[in-house]
Amino acid sequence: NAGVTQTPKFQVLKTGQSMTLQCAQDMNHNSMYWYRQDPGMGLRLIYYSASEGTTDKGEVPNGYNVSRLNKREFSLRLESAAPSQTSVYFCASSEEGATIQFFGPGTRLTVL
Amino acid sequence: GENVGLHLPTLSVQEGDNSIINCAYSNSASDYFIWYKQESGKGPQFIIDIRSNMDKRQGQRVTVLLNKTVKHLSLQIAATQPGDSAVYFCAGPNSGYSTLTFGKGTMLLVSP
Repeated sequence: NAGVTQTPKFQVLKTGQSMTLQCAQDMNHNSMYWYRQDPGMGLRLIYYSASEGTTDKGEVPNGYNVSRLNKREFSLRLESAAPSQTSVYFCASSEEGATIQFFGPGTRLTVL
Repeated sequence: GENVGLHLPTLSVQEGDNSIINCAYSNSASDYFIWYKQESGKGPQFIIDIRSNMDKRQGQRVTVLLNKTVKHLSLQIAATQPGDSAVYFCAGPNSGYSTLTFGKGTMLLVSP
């Protein structure tokens, strides 16, 4: 089992460009999450999907959109990237809500 | 939501010593806590969890202690090794049990 996979691993964007971060899990988990991690700020929840067909805002949703494509896949889209979105993005999944979450390797995004 | 925080941003220990990483929480109704380890350049990795009906739980070289009276938990690592060098996070459920809230992390530095 691959667990949680994320693509790409690294990305550099110019301000105003758009992109989609992909995430997939093969653990048959119901819930999936997108976090960003900045120095000194810990993990902050952007969006989550409690189950297939539902999405909800987390702590820092502005500037992002998500799609729960199916049970396995949960994508994060930046429509118009800004330098403030430079960060490391982690996808995670869990069987349900507030239980053990399993994380992907992260995407390191730089917006110039 | 849950407010979990760590007492020290950095902990330096000698190889072979025992390490203790602390975490405080604010929601006395929280009944479940998780510890994660994050190595440089990687995603957080689950270490151990504990439910509120327990005061102590042991894993391989790790022990988590929960003191509900003062709303404090700690992660103890026995015979710390260089491979234990990482950032350690505690996490607890948010008020709706829809996701986890993470502390900012403690960096453990192990010197030979």
